[in-house]
Amino acid sequence: DTAVSQTPKYLVTQMGNDKSIKCEQNLGHDTMYWYKQDSKKFLKIMFSYNNKELIINETVPNRFSPKSPDKAHLNLHINSLELGDSAVYFCASSRGTSGGNTDTQYFGPGTRLTVL
Amino acid sequence: DAKTTQPNSMESNEEEPVHLPCNHSTISGTDYIHWYRQLPSQGPEYVIHGLTSNVNNRMASLAIAEDRKSSTLILHRATLRDAAVYYCILRDAGNYGQNFVFGPGTRLSVLP
Repeated sequence: DTAVSQTPKYLVTQMGNDKSIKCEQNLGHDTMYWYKQDSKKFLKIMFSYNNKELIINETVPNRFSPKSPDKAHLNLHINSLELGDSAVYFCASSRGTSGGNTDTQYFGPGTRLTVL
Repeated sequence: DAKTTQPNSMESNEEEPVHLPCNHSTISGTDYIHWYRQLPSQGPEYVIHGLTSNVNNRMASLAIAEDRKSSTLILHRATLRDAAVYYCILRDAGNYGQNFVFGPGTRLSVLP
């Protein structure tokens, strides 16, 4: 079983559309994250949720809205897609506070979003 | 999170040891040193972490300088599958559940 899964793997869409990326983890972790990796390969945190509550919200446009229906899921909805949103989006999870000093993040396979 | 500095790229021959350096001169006493790697077209994966003492696991070894201002990830016998970008990250021991700050990392090429 895949520990952290994302769907879809590839997403091609037109500017202005609204799209969602889903993430699920079966590790029983308390904390989940969304990262964005742009064309220059820099990996940047976007959001972090702990037990369904938002704990990190980096400088991300309001068009991006994470939703955590339960501890095992963290979905990312993007409104009014722009060309600059093209990137690979990674979901990750970790034990969070219960992981203590050795908290390790487990990443999903990524979703490659292409905005035309 | 404190900053780390790594070489942009390194090359190694297959089945030879690889030493990947990381400088973290502003490390604080409570920062753990974590290493992750990202294989092509995959998400990052955990490699190893440590605080003060050298660490070994099935994937690699981590050698930490006595003053903790630098560390070295050691792959004992590089394989083609080890070709990846390796990230050295500092994590505050009290920063539970918080994000990692990924730098550009070191791109390791393994030659057959």
